[in-house]
Amino acid sequence: SQTIHQWPATLVQPVGSPLSLECTVEGTSNPNLYWYRQAAGRGLQLLFYSVGIGQISSEVPQNLSASRPQDRQFILSSKKLLLSDSGFYLCAWSSQAALEQYFGPGTRLTVT
Amino acid sequence: QKEVEQDPGPLSVPEGAIVSLNCTYSNSAFQYFMWYRQYSRKGPELLMYTYSSGNKEDGRFTAQVDKSSKYISLFIRDSQPSDSATYLCAMSAFFGETSGSRLTFGEGTQLTVNP
Repeated sequence: SQTIHQWPATLVQPVGSPLSLECTVEGTSNPNLYWYRQAAGRGLQLLFYSVGIGQISSEVPQNLSASRPQDRQFILSSKKLLLSDSGFYLCAWSSQAALEQYFGPGTRLTVT
Repeated sequence: QKEVEQDPGPLSVPEGAIVSLNCTYSNSAFQYFMWYRQYSRKGPELLMYTYSSGNKEDGRFTAQVDKSSKYISLFIRDSQPSDSATYLCAMSAFFGETSGSRLTFGEGTQLTVNP
């Protein structure tokens, strides 16, 4: 069966510090991968998606970037965090042949 | 206007009640529909998905899609305290090799089932 991992689970970072969140998927090959942000009491905002290694598409201009160094690894980064980057970050995957997305446990980021 | 509208609640019901959760949408191109359940401080969990109009049943859960009215529903029978969570609807207009699975989410309805 497929499993998706995210770490860290929680993170408190000062404004201006760098960020690296990692997501890995097990049990499947060549998945589509997604990064979302969920603000408190709000829906999911798609940040980035990737249909293959090195193929990253950005949905909204922002202070964040994403990379996919390996088939089942997706990384969300920032060089300098802003207060507005606080939120719940979710990684998801879908197979190449289906629409359903499956989410990881999330990383709760607080920028102070 | 948002493409997907979902009443945020909160919705509070007694244990054993039938719960109805709803979403409306404006994009007539949406043809794939999903429901996710999200417990507090956890990632969303896929509950049900359907690619057609009509009803789809899975245990205590029934997903209903009315494309003519652009309206989808999730019914929970014999609700339990463990059903207390936020329920998100999601939908998609297309699926492509270069775009992956593009889902548009509602903002979620917070449900509490009281014992």
